[in-house]
Amino acid sequence: SQKIEQNSEALNIQEGKTATLTCNYTNYSPAYLQWYRQDPGRGPVFLLLIRENEKEKRKERLKVTFDTTLKQSLFHITASQPADSATYLCALVTGTASKLTFGTGTRLQVTL
Amino acid sequence: NAGVMQNPRHLVRRRGQEARLRCSPMKGHSHVYWYRQLPEEGLKFMVYLQKENIIDESGMPKERFSAEFPKEGPSILRIQQVVRGDSAAYFCASSPPWKQGNYGYTFGSGTRLTVV
Repeated sequence: SQKIEQNSEALNIQEGKTATLTCNYTNYSPAYLQWYRQDPGRGPVFLLLIRENEKEKRKERLKVTFDTTLKQSLFHITASQPADSATYLCALVTGTASKLTFGTGTRLQVTL
Repeated sequence: NAGVMQNPRHLVRRRGQEARLRCSPMKGHSHVYWYRQLPEEGLKFMVYLQKENIIDESGMPKERFSAEFPKEGPSILRIQQVVRGDSAAYFCASSPPWKQGNYGYTFGSGTRLTVV
């Protein structure tokens, strides 16, 4: 069966450290993988997109890697801040319909 | 340039009533997607629409749920004869027609439906 798995346990890290979140998928062949941030009571906000033929993408303090052999994406936030505390969702785009299929998300808590 | 607008933000319905959720996409976006998020669960795809067309409704329950995106006006997600299990946050996203998938989607703030 198809699965997109993210750590269900919350990730707690100290301010200034690098947070690394994992997204693993099975039985998908995504053309694109996207990462979103969701705050309580709000809709997801798009952060980064990476294509199947790209290994790495960066944007300011954010970095995403995509390994289609391992079927895994890693999402890094460097120099993390308390304002980075949120739930982070990975989403795959497959097929021609372009719909996003989401993982369940990982809650990140950055403490002082 | 306003983002994706959803209304109402909160909707309370008694069991058996109808719920109508509205979504106005961003200007220039002709593709609309509806997602449902149950408490402590991930976002589940429901339906993908373009103007006057349903493209993919593989995530829609077969009964009581319907969606439309008319030529004029917002997209509507309709739930007839609501039950307690329909209580969830319903999110709408939109995207432009020329970058499907290769483009971050813009989500609205959602409608929180509570069935009492």
